[in-house]
Amino acid sequence: GESVGLHLPTLSVQEGDNSIINCAYSNSASDYFIWYKQESGKGPQFIIDIRSNMDKRQGQRVTVLLNKTVKHLSLQIAATQPGDSAVYFCAEMGGNKLVFGAGTILRVKS
Amino acid sequence: GAGVSQSPRYKVAKRGQDVALRCDPISGHVSLFWYQQALGQGPEFLTYFQNEAQLDKSGLPSDRFFAERPEGSVSTLKIQRTQQEDSAVYLCASSSPGASGRFTDTQYFGPGTRLTVL
Repeated sequence: GESVGLHLPTLSVQEGDNSIINCAYSNSASDYFIWYKQESGKGPQFIIDIRSNMDKRQGQRVTVLLNKTVKHLSLQIAATQPGDSAVYFCAEMGGNKLVFGAGTILRVKS
Repeated sequence: GAGVSQSPRYKVAKRGQDVALRCDPISGHVSLFWYQQALGQGPEFLTYFQNEAQLDKSGLPSDRFFAERPEGSVSTLKIQRTQQEDSAVYLCASSSPGASGRFTDTQYFGPGTRLTVL
């Protein structure tokens, strides 16, 4: 079936370094992708999104890249901070529902 | 403004009990979604409302699960005769077309209700 998956389940980075979290998706018909951050005991928090007619979108300290040729999505976090430690999910919009990947744990070492 | 709120935040039920989980979406949001999140996994879609109409309930795992949104605002997810496998975090999200600076499909999540069935 259709699915969204992640290459790396856990990522450890040094404070101040850049982080890159990757995601592969399988539904080539998806036209909307979102990155969410989830801290322990909280609901997913919207980070950034991108439409399929774009290949890059930037926010504050975050950049999302979309490569439709290989069905790959990535989230780049600049100057990673301890507060960035969380689980990160990519999700694709299938119809009106989001299909989430399993998540990547980001650990920031001080 | 206030975000999506959910209550209760934690619910412990004995197997076989019925539970009701409440979601208050962001004011004015026409779309409301319920997701189930098992420990260590991503959220999985349960059902979707547009105003009071339930347009998609394909993710509800069994007929013990029922959701309603009678006035197009607050929604309740009811689980009858709870089983241990129902233990999870139940997340509610809402979205609205035309939100400034966002694509129309952005879903904003509440904190979830953690259900534990003993």
